[in-house]
Amino acid sequence: GQQLNQSPQSMFIQEGEDVSMNCTSSSIFNTWLWYKQDPGEGPVLLIALYKAGELTSNGRLTAQFGITRKDSFLNISASIPSDVGIYFCAGQLESSASKIIFGSGTRLSIRP
Amino acid sequence: KAGVTQTPRYLIKTRGQQVTLSCSPISGHRSVSWYQQTPGQGLQFLFEYFSETQRNKGNFPGRFSGRQFSNSRSEMNVSTLELGDSALYLCASSLLHSDYGYTFGSGTRLTVV
Repeated sequence: GQQLNQSPQSMFIQEGEDVSMNCTSSSIFNTWLWYKQDPGEGPVLLIALYKAGELTSNGRLTAQFGITRKDSFLNISASIPSDVGIYFCAGQLESSASKIIFGSGTRLSIRP
Repeated sequence: KAGVTQTPRYLIKTRGQQVTLSCSPISGHRSVSWYQQTPGQGLQFLFEYFSETQRNKGNFPGRFSGRQFSNSRSEMNVSTLELGDSALYLCASSLLHSDYGYTFGSGTRLTVV
């Protein structure tokens, strides 16, 4: 079935480092979304992308909608402790009316 | 303005019982979607409601059902609970059908024993 492959599954970073994660699929998407989830809370929308090639920033976060419409990446610059959490990509398939499917998440931790 | 409110926050049920979870969307939002989140399967789409009509449905058995009321509040029901139904159930609302500015609630943590 449809699937989003999100990587890496987890990463440990030093404060101040830049972070990069991505999602790929064999299917074509109309929309890419990036969410962050903190423990005990629901996911919070960080960035939404609606057009192939689109590059959008939200503070230290930058995300791009891949030109093939099958992938997206999220970069976080100069990481800080509050960046810790689980990041999810999500997408709306070209073939689907409105259903959004989610990647399996990237767990971001700060290396002590 | 108030966010998406889900009640209860935590619930413990025994196998075979049924459960009803509630979601109040952001005022003015007419679309409500439900997701099941488990460590093994991640976020899985259950269904979407808009204007009291189910617009889309995920691949879950018929034991999972939902409805939406005229004030856009939504409920989901799970009958004949199984241990594998233990999960965080998340509700997300948006202004319009197919509008992807989802706002999620904090979820209901269901534990089946």
